Amino acid sequence: EDQVTQSPEALRLQEGESSSLNCSYTVSGLRGLFWYRQDPGKGPEFLFTLYSAGEEKEKERLKATLTKKESFLHITAPKPEDSATYLCAVQAHTGNQFYFGTGTSLTVIP
Amino acid sequence: DGGITQSPKYLFRKEGQNVTLSCEQNLNHDAMYWYRQDPGQGLRLIYYSQIVNDFQKGDIAEGYSVSREKKESFPLTVTSAQKNPTAFYLCASSIWGLKAASYNEQFFGPGTRLTVL
Repeated sequence: EDQVTQSPEALRLQEGESSSLNCSYTVSGLRGLFWYRQDPGKGPEFLFTLYSAGEEKEKERLKATLTKKESFLHITAPKPEDSATYLCAVQAHTGNQFYFGTGTSLTVIP
Repeated sequence: DGGITQSPKYLFRKEGQNVTLSCEQNLNHDAMYWYRQDPGQGLRLIYYSQIVNDFQKGDIAEGYSVSREKKESFPLTVTSAQKNPTAFYLCASSIWGLKAASYNEQFFGPGTRLTVL
């Protein structure tokens, strides 16, 4: 069964304190792994797509990496405006659906 | 501006009532999706459609119905058979990619919050 597990559930960081969010997955042939940011009461905002192990993508203070079993979202020197829930999703070659994790709620304290 | 719109933003339903949530996209995407989001749970797929006049059930389709008469529109009806409809509903769309390297990420609308009175 295709599954996605995100950890930690919640993370509090001081402004400037770098850290990483984890997304572990089991899927029958990965077609793509996707990261989204979701602010309270809003729809998820697309951040990155990763397709193969070893791939990395960067955007401002965020960097996503992918291995055969997990993905990390690294946040470097975060700012309060980075506070949000970060969602991870996977899509398998054999199916059409996305499978979402429950997210990591990030709070960055000034 | 290209994007996905959902309406209304807030919706209240009385017991035994059917309600319809609107989703429109002008991204020229082939595929459209409906998800339900509850606190502490990941997004769960209700229905999806790859082409006009065709759609498939997701993991939690019971109590919901959809139509896809136009490429741009994918309305969701929450019927009285859905016993616990209070949730945040999200519509998404994507290019329907058949190749492994296709850019098939999903883009989401702003959501509709449905509350049962």
